[in-house]
Parts: sequence; C-alpha cells; structure tokens
Amino acid sequence: QKEVEQDPGPLSVPEGAIVSLNCTYSNSAFQYFMWYRQYSRKGPELLMYTYSSGNKEDGRFTAQVDKSSKYISLFIRDSQPSDSATYLCAMSGMGNNRLAFGKGNQVVVIP
Amino acid sequence: KAGVTQTPRYLIKTRGQQVTLSCSPISGHRSVSWYQQTPGQGLQFLFEYFSETQRNKGNFPGRFSGRQFSNSRSEMNVSTLELGDSALYLCASSLVTAANYGYTFGSGTRLTVV
Repeated sequence: QKEVEQDPGPLSVPEGAIVSLNCTYSNSAFQYFMWYRQYSRKGPELLMYTYSSGNKEDGRFTAQVDKSSKYISLFIRDSQPSDSATYLCAMSGMGNNRLAFGKGNQVVVIP
Repeated sequence: KAGVTQTPRYLIKTRGQQVTLSCSPISGHRSVSWYQQTPGQGLQFLFEYFSETQRNKGNFPGRFSGRQFSNSRSEMNVSTLELGDSALYLCASSLVTAANYGYTFGSGTRLTVV
C-alpha cells in the first residue's frame, strides 16, 4: 500500500463549477498537509498548507484534513480556466525532511 | 527575488552515460531536496541536503548521488544511465530542514535517456 493515494484520473469541469479533489494516506505520523499546483512544463507550487486536522480557506480554495479518517480534500470554488493544472497532495511528519506526494489530478476547466 | 534555478532545462543522454544536474536555491535557503517525477510513479524523494550534509535519502540505487556546496548550490549525478531514468528531476529549496512548511520548486530538468 502506498503511503499516499490520489486517484490520478483527469477531471474536466465547466467554468464556475466546484472542483473537489481528495487523497487518503496510511502513515499516522503525517501531521503537515499540503496541496501543490503544477502547470505544464513547470515545477509544483505550494497552494495550501494545513497543520493537523481542520479546515483552511484562502480565497476560492478550501483545504480540509480529517486525521481520524486519514483523508484530505481540496475544493476550488468558482473554477476558472486558469485553474487548469495538475493538483498534487503532499504530506510529511514532524521534523521530517521529505514530502510524500500523491500522483496528482489533472484538472481542466472548460470556458 | 529569484526563484529556484535548475540547469539545464532539457537533456538527452544515451544509456550507460552519466549526467550531472544543477540547482541554485533561493538566496538564504540552506536546505535543498531532489525529487524524480514520472507519469507512473509520480514524485519520489531522492535526497535532501542541508549545510553540505546529506540529511535524508530516498529509496534509489547508488547510481543516484548528490552534493551541496558551501553556497547552498546543489548538484545531482546519475551514473550508468538506464532508460527508466527518463524523468523530470525537480529541485526544491526551503529555509529550514523540515518539509513542514513546504518547498519552493524549480521548473525541473527533463532528462531523456535513449
């Protein structure tokens, strides 16, 4: 079983729709949870960062972490064509020097 | 503020050759990590350096090695290249050693082994 599972299927949504992405994980030591966005031919950029369980909102983006279920989510409201990218979940434990990544979801927002 | 710079951007090598990739972190960042990204495996951790010392290593064969210089710039080397080494190699830097607050990634070096 991989440490982080993210269904890599592509997702196409019409402009203005809500995009919902999620990851599950198996390592109970993970405490720091992140979402990265990666545009084509670019490196990943940090989008959202959450410590432990709870919700975090930043503009149109909401990240949720449920440590009891080992499940994290990212919601994008009022999606725009500029949100078309691959979204990767990532997580790490306390004092750990590495991130464990999901495989990523390619999201296409259709105008 | 300059970001993480990786050179070269693209590279084509033949099986059996070796390759060296370079990474210049954000000014002031002392931790540099390397990841391999492939469609099949996603992003996999290679190693992390802090103050010229390797702090952590992923599950890759010894053909993959790296180093960090006193100015925090880092290089990674892959010897005896195999077709399966074709990937996007990403360098990431951060202020502190832990990944807890996220990295800043470079745009990567696309390595193709033929």
